[in-house]
Amino acid sequence: KNQVEQSPQSLIILEGKNCTLQCNYTVSPFSNLRWYKQDTGRGPVSLTIMTFSENTKSNGRYTATLDADTKQSSLHITASQLSDSASYICVVRSSGGSYIPTFGRGTSLIVHP
Amino acid sequence: DAGVTQSPTHLIKTRGQQVTLRCSPISGHKSVSWYQQVLGQGPQFIFQYYEKEERGRGNFPDRFSARQFPNYSSELNVNALLLGDSALYLCASSLNRGPSNQPQHFGDGTRLSIL
Repeated sequence: KNQVEQSPQSLIILEGKNCTLQCNYTVSPFSNLRWYKQDTGRGPVSLTIMTFSENTKSNGRYTATLDADTKQSSLHITASQLSDSASYICVVRSSGGSYIPTFGRGTSLIVHP
Repeated sequence: DAGVTQSPTHLIKTRGQQVTLRCSPISGHKSVSWYQQVLGQGPQFIFQYYEKEERGRGNFPDRFSARQFPNYSSELNVNALLLGDSALYLCASSLNRGPSNQPQHFGDGTRLSIL
């Protein structure tokens, strides 16, 4: 069964600090992995996408890594800002017969001043 | 360009009623997917429609149905509402159906509350 597990479930950090969110998946065969940011009461917005051949990808202060061998991804946020407070969701797509993406439960990040 | 738009933004219903939620995809997008997101959880896939045909269905009861119109907009219908149907219903559109690297673009959802 395709699954995506995220950790931690929630995280509280001080403004300016860095943090790393984790995503482990069992989706196979793998097509791509995407990180979304979801602000409270809004729809998810794509931050980065990783394909099989990519190890690292950055989008401003967000850096995603992918280890396709261990089926792990991380999202590193540098110099956090209050506006980073949101839920971060890891989504994995399979290249198999089903095109349905598998969503993680998300990590809730709160940045305090 | 307008993003994915959903209506209504909020809705309150009572148990046993029926509800219809609407979604307009980004212009040019032919695929629409519906998700249910319970508070504190990630989205759960309900349906995918592509070129007006159902292409995927999640593990939801037959009370849930959907359709896609010739202009690629979509409706999600839920019959015989239960308290557990209270959730944020998200619509996402993409250019095509397959596992491409193109992202799904999400609307801000319809918040459905069942009393």
